[in-house]
Amino acid sequence: GAVVSQHPSWVICKSGTSVKIECRSLDFQATTMFWYRQFPKQSLMLMATSNEGSKATYEQGVEKDKFLINHASLTLSTLTVTSAHPEDSSFYICSALLPPSGITDTQYFGPGTRLTVL
Amino acid sequence: AQTVTQSQPEMSVQEAETVTLSCTYDTSESNYYLFWYKQPPSRQMILVIRQEAYKQQNATENRFSVNFQKAAKSFSLKISDSQLGDTAMYFCAFMLGGSQGNLIFGKGTKLSVKP
Repeated sequence: GAVVSQHPSWVICKSGTSVKIECRSLDFQATTMFWYRQFPKQSLMLMATSNEGSKATYEQGVEKDKFLINHASLTLSTLTVTSAHPEDSSFYICSALLPPSGITDTQYFGPGTRLTVL
Repeated sequence: AQTVTQSQPEMSVQEAETVTLSCTYDTSESNYYLFWYKQPPSRQMILVIRQEAYKQQNATENRFSVNFQKAAKSFSLKISDSQLGDTAMYFCAFMLGGSQGNLIFGKGTKLSVKP
């Protein structure tokens, strides 16, 4: 249980184009999902928290107009990188928060999406 | 603000041996959770173990166990009978109770298991 998928796993795009990444919770409903960015050999950096049916909460320094997040259903959140540039090249990881089970909330992670902008 | 520190950037261990990864954290809160996540070369983040701060008993999951020292704000991970498949980056993470589930990660420890 608690499986999270991401699509695509790898995308190459030209500078100036937009790219959409999907994050799905496959066997549970997630009211809260998270988007992270990971540079090579570094830790995960939280970009934004996505809540179903409401606007995402962005971390300081993350451009909300560049990284559009939509959490339209309890199983799907999308991250759109608009007008991508080479500096946006990175590994993007989503996670979904398992609802409280009386023990603890826990994040389960998708397999990540490698974005390369040429 | 909460912080998580992993002081060992890299470690290695022989197959079948035991290794301990260190993690310290800083918080003034009393209600929180601690996690260890593993990121193998595939880069899929995998939950290894979790600990509720209000529980005194150390969490265990098969070959993985933690040494949770609340007063010292220490949360180390012990891997027994290390296997080649344990080779990965290990991240310690902190989450405040009652929060939206925001995880604060340490910088990670790269563990290599050698045959």
